Amino acid sequence: DAGITQSPRHKVTETGTPVTLRCHQTENHRYMYWYRQDPGHGLRLIHYSYGVKDTDKGEVSDGYSVSRSKTEDFLLTLESATSSQTSVYFCAIRAGGYNEQFFGPGTRLTVL
Amino acid sequence: GENVEQHPSTLSVQEGDSAVIKCTYSDSASNYFPWYKQELGKRPQLIIDIRSNVGEKKDQRIAVTLNKTAKHFSLHITETQPEDSAVYFCGLENSGGSNYKLTFGKGTLLTVNP
Repeated sequence: DAGITQSPRHKVTETGTPVTLRCHQTENHRYMYWYRQDPGHGLRLIHYSYGVKDTDKGEVSDGYSVSRSKTEDFLLTLESATSSQTSVYFCAIRAGGYNEQFFGPGTRLTVL
Repeated sequence: GENVEQHPSTLSVQEGDSAVIKCTYSDSASNYFPWYKQELGKRPQLIIDIRSNVGEKKDQRIAVTLNKTAKHFSLHITETQPEDSAVYFCGLENSGGSNYKLTFGKGTLLTVNP
């Protein structure tokens, strides 16, 4: 599992509330990614990080922010959750020296 | 950004038959092409990948072929088994820059009927 964990694994929240998802890795990988997965859309990149405090936007970044204050943790925040952000969120790391990305177990988020 | 089209979106085969899934792309600078398998309720798992300096790669019953000129790559599964039933995603990366971002196809639901 490439030492990747995500928390929480499931969350139900209400529209307008802030939500933070956590991705934790134990193998000191430089690159980390947040994706969302929705039926008919595959996996879409939200934000990614190429080092501590170094982040950039992906193709569906509106409504999301990220932070990476230490190598092992990459946080995804929904400042004010909307029903359109109901999705399964996957974190991934890029194996150092290679192209391969490995995914965490996912977080299922429901916004009511 | 990069765009990748994946076909078919669903594929049903009989056990023992072969399955082929194809992806086409537009960015000629793409140089890394992975395939992921995702079982229901699980995370995507990398099953095979290919780099642009190679035309074909095999791993037991699965293989990937790449045609750089035509800008398409395909996943081939031979002697399919019920446990091959899953959603398969192709991806591509342009590693020429420094961003190392993967772009994914929308997935193919493969059903292998016993």
